[in-house]
Amino acid sequence: EIVMTQSPATLSVSPGERATLSCRASQSVSSNLVWYQQKPGQAPRLLIYGASTRATGIPARFSGSGSGTEFTLTISSLQSEDIAVYYCQEYNNWPFMYTFGQGTKLEIK
Amino acid sequence: EVQLVESGGGLVKPGGSLRLSCAASGFTFSSYTMTWVRQAPGKGLAWVSSMSPTGSYIYYADSLKGRFTVSRDNAKNSLYLQMNSLSAEDTAVYYCAREDSKASRHWFFGLWGRGTLVTVSS
Repeated sequence: EIVMTQSPATLSVSPGERATLSCRASQSVSSNLVWYQQKPGQAPRLLIYGASTRATGIPARFSGSGSGTEFTLTISSLQSEDIAVYYCQEYNNWPFMYTFGQGTKLEIK
Repeated sequence: EVQLVESGGGLVKPGGSLRLSCAASGFTFSSYTMTWVRQAPGKGLAWVSSMSPTGSYIYYADSLKGRFTVSRDNAKNSLYLQMNSLSAEDTAVYYCAREDSKASRHWFFGLWGRGTLVTVSS
């Protein structure tokens, strides 16, 4: 079973600054990685798939990178509306199972 | 409007059963693999089960096999989750999600419902 580990658990960033979130897989998942954003009281929202492709309607300040076991979600200039928990998820074993990371809570400093 | 709406959650005693429903609208439900994802209070997301468009393929998280059963009725544009032998560890918001794909090599949950809360407590 693949284990997805996200760091840090909580990240505090000032408005307009860059936020860098990490996701590590216990074994290679190639580029089979997705990022979701979940705001309080809401359902998750798709941000990135294929490790680096933005979903429709996602602002360009969100970018994803990485392959294999190390992945990064970068928000180039943090906006107040970006406050949320961010989850990575692998689909390397599609369709048999999916594994989420435990999430990174992004706060405004 | 393209949407998923879950229902059927509530308070159930340990050992009890509950059936969740997910009503789809605004898209061709019968063309999509559908999935249940749950989220315990204050915790992260956990994949529960997925079912292919015609129901030919069904997958469950290993920890849930034998207690949970997913089904669908394409004529009613609905997905279901029958949950038996419930325990406090099953307390969570249960989300219904649509599996989308790109180029037949990327799969992701592109549409989510708002979720329904299941509380298992005596």
